[in-house]
Amino acid sequence: DAGVIQSPRHEVTEMGQEVTLRCKPISGHNSLFWYRQTMMRGLELLIYFNNNVPIDDSGMPEDRFSAKMPNASFSTLKIQPSEPRDSAVYFCASSLTSGGAFEQFFGPGTRLTVL
Amino acid sequence: AQSVSQHNHHVILSEAASLELGCNYSYGGTVNLFWYVQYPGQHLQLLLKYFSGDPLVKGIKGFEAEFIKSKFSFNLRKPSVQWSDTAEYFCAVNSGSGNTGKLIFGQGTTLQVKP
Repeated sequence: DAGVIQSPRHEVTEMGQEVTLRCKPISGHNSLFWYRQTMMRGLELLIYFNNNVPIDDSGMPEDRFSAKMPNASFSTLKIQPSEPRDSAVYFCASSLTSGGAFEQFFGPGTRLTVL
Repeated sequence: AQSVSQHNHHVILSEAASLELGCNYSYGGTVNLFWYVQYPGQHLQLLLKYFSGDPLVKGIKGFEAEFIKSKFSFNLRKPSVQWSDTAEYFCAVNSGSGNTGKLIFGQGTTLQVKP
């Protein structure tokens, strides 16, 4: 299995631009999580989906952030417009919640720099 | 609300020293417990997990953790650390009862091992 796949791995953009981060979870997993990690704030859960349905988006910082999961094998996190304070590493993780297994598998992350 | 507390934010050890990182959680029901490791510049990887059974759990790279239900604790240990153990360590908990897989992470402990 290829694991969780994220793209791009690095993104440098200018303030005001739209940014789209992509994630492909492990095949068969039914929960998907978006995290943000910074030195100042640590690891933050932004939003998560179960069976493609958003369950909790209380961690999304503001309306500039949106996430979708149109099918079981793809999710996007969009920031529009981007701001310098959005600079961070964004991780996607997936898990299988049937059978009591809740281990999350993390992708390699997208390092976002907003100038 | 569930919470996870890691007592040490930054630990510095010399090689061959013993390690114990504290983790306490605040949920009284059935729990699944995890320790993740994040090496510099990498994503989070699972070190070990506890679901049920023997409260002493052995993980990869010589790490182990002990679940003490009465103390709501799940401390991570390693008898002799190596320079390659330099990383950030996260404790996480899942309530483990018919849920969607959300993990509550502690704030992380940075371990620096001096050669």
